[in-house]
Amino acid sequence: EPEVTQTPSHQVTQMGQEVILRCVPISNHLYFYWYRQILGQKVEFLVSFYNNEISEKSEIFDDQFSVERPDGSNFTLKIRSTKLEDSAMYFCASKLGTGFNYEQYFGPGTRLTVT
Amino acid sequence: EDKVVQSPLSLVVHEGDTVTLNCSYEVTNFRSLLWYKQEKKAPTFLFMLTSSGIEKKSGRLSSILDKKELFSILNITATQTGDSAVYLCAVAFYDMRFGAGTRLTVKP
Repeated sequence: EPEVTQTPSHQVTQMGQEVILRCVPISNHLYFYWYRQILGQKVEFLVSFYNNEISEKSEIFDDQFSVERPDGSNFTLKIRSTKLEDSAMYFCASKLGTGFNYEQYFGPGTRLTVT
Repeated sequence: EDKVVQSPLSLVVHEGDTVTLNCSYEVTNFRSLLWYKQEKKAPTFLFMLTSSGIEKKSGRLSSILDKKELFSILNITATQTGDSAVYLCAVAFYDMRFGAGTRLTVKP
């Protein structure tokens, strides 16, 4: 069964460093998402992406964040200068289409630890 | 302000019990309500509800949406230890807003 994959599973970085989290969505899906979940807290929407551009973004997704689909398969989240509070699990998700009948499929997540 | 509220926040039951998890929401431009099960890592999809009053079932799990009263319930009958997880409710509108989840613990 097709699935969303994410790499790495765990990333440790120092404050101020740039990180790139990678996702490979399900191949025929058209809509892509990033979420984060700080330990013990709720899943929070960051950004949605369609047709090579951002569709929606939350207030969390500030200028430190960017997303890219550099080729036909990868979808990346870049954090330019990490802060301690960026430590969280980051989930990528993808969806086949818009409309009411499509659910999002989540990847296994990347645990980001900023020290 | 758009919000999704789940209750209870945690629940401990014994195997064989039936549980009902609640999700209420206030969002503009509602599209659908989704239930996910989160064990160790990624949320896994359970149900998507778009119409009021139509129950969706999958084995021992069922869910229904009330768009007039703005809530949904997730029922699990004959619970098993493998049902122990955090159950997340999410409402899709322009993006997707998750509730805090209900942590269900099923004891043998």
